[in-house]
Amino acid sequence: EPEVTQTPSHQVTQMGQEVILRCVPISNHLYFYWYRQILGQKVEFLVSFYNNEISEKSEIFDDQFSVERPDGSNFTLKIRSTKLEDSAMYFCASSESLGLIQYFGAGTRLSVL
Amino acid sequence: AQRVTQPEKLLSVFKGAPVELKCNYSYSGSPELFWYVQYSRQRLQLLLRHISRESIKGFTADLNKGETSFHLKKPFAQEEDSAMYYCALRLSGGSNYKLTFGKGTLLTVNP
Repeated sequence: EPEVTQTPSHQVTQMGQEVILRCVPISNHLYFYWYRQILGQKVEFLVSFYNNEISEKSEIFDDQFSVERPDGSNFTLKIRSTKLEDSAMYFCASSESLGLIQYFGAGTRLSVL
Repeated sequence: AQRVTQPEKLLSVFKGAPVELKCNYSYSGSPELFWYVQYSRQRLQLLLRHISRESIKGFTADLNKGETSFHLKKPFAQEEDSAMYYCALRLSGGSNYKLTFGKGTLLTVNP
């Protein structure tokens, strides 16, 4: 069964550094999402992406965040200058079409020191 | 704004006992409701969605619009049901298809 894959599984970085989290959505999916989960809190929506542009973003997704689909397979989340409070589990998801089931990756645990 | 509440952080039952994981939501329109499950060290995966009205792994959930609830039930819990369960809501229609999650309930089924 096709899966959403995320790399790395764990990323450790120093405060102020840039990080790029990578995702490979399921191949025939057209809609892509990022969510995050701070330890002990709920899974929160960050951004959705379709047709090479952001279709919706939350208030968490400020100027420090950006997303990109640099080629036909990868979908990346960049945090320009990480803060301690960016430490969280980041989940990528994809869906075949708007309104259909979102399939999640296993997540990247980001630790900002 | 929409909100999903799962009042129980932890739920522990014995094998063979009935289990009910509660989920309440607040939204004035017609949402779509989902249950996602996360087994230990695995990804979030869809368990149920209310529009499918199907039973998966013996679990069922009925949308009660009057009580704004979407509780997950199973008559006889199994040890392999031990996992984190998340209730989620999505607005139907328009272009807003983000999922809004509850905080999750950790279900432990004891032998």
